[in-house]
Amino acid sequence: DAKTTQPPSMDCAEGRAANLPCNHSTISGNEYVYWYRQIHSQGPQYIIHGLKNNETNEMASLIITEDRKSSTLILPHATLRDTAVYYCIVRGYNNDMRFGAGTRLTVKP
Amino acid sequence: NAGVTQTPKFQVLKTGQSMTLQCAQDMNHEYMSWYRQDPGMGLRLIHYSVGAGITDQGEVPNGYNVSRSTTEDFPLRLLSAAPSQTSVYFCASRGLGLTGELFFGEGSRLTVL
Repeated sequence: DAKTTQPPSMDCAEGRAANLPCNHSTISGNEYVYWYRQIHSQGPQYIIHGLKNNETNEMASLIITEDRKSSTLILPHATLRDTAVYYCIVRGYNNDMRFGAGTRLTVKP
Repeated sequence: NAGVTQTPKFQVLKTGQSMTLQCAQDMNHEYMSWYRQDPGMGLRLIHYSVGAGITDQGEVPNGYNVSRSTTEDFPLRLLSAAPSQTSVYFCASRGLGLTGELFFGEGSRLTVL
């Protein structure tokens, strides 16, 4: 699986959009980009995934660059409850989900 | 559906003791896996299984054994606990396929003295 690079921490003001970047320059054509988050010490929670097109669901939007070497997770209106560690993962067919260190997002009032 | 259930939630062991962390899922998922998470770090894959009777090693398998006799259960065994195995352990499951979402249990906090 391709490795990912994320900033270790970010801050965001409550009510503003949170944009979390991820670099995956060695991604191959059949590998998907997944995002999970972990609040406190709970088990990680699935957010969204995509292959090449931009994706949106009730939690977030995922923007993948045309060359697929990077992506951005967007939380459109961040709340205090969105404070968490966010993991960007690249996975191919049936491959393991391997987590890096992630980005610690702190939403501030 | 209960999802992924882990037991126990907390356990304290002495060095050299053995124990089994239990994991069960009721979603008929073929794929199951165990992760450990040390303080301030991300999750590291210990072992995984793509179906009953099939297991394989992840990133950090040493000191741990697994078996998969049924689709529902995937226990993790520590044969001789060491302080370095103090961690929070997460079990997860998903269906096979390209876009299966991984479902996690609540975690088991293990302390080895």
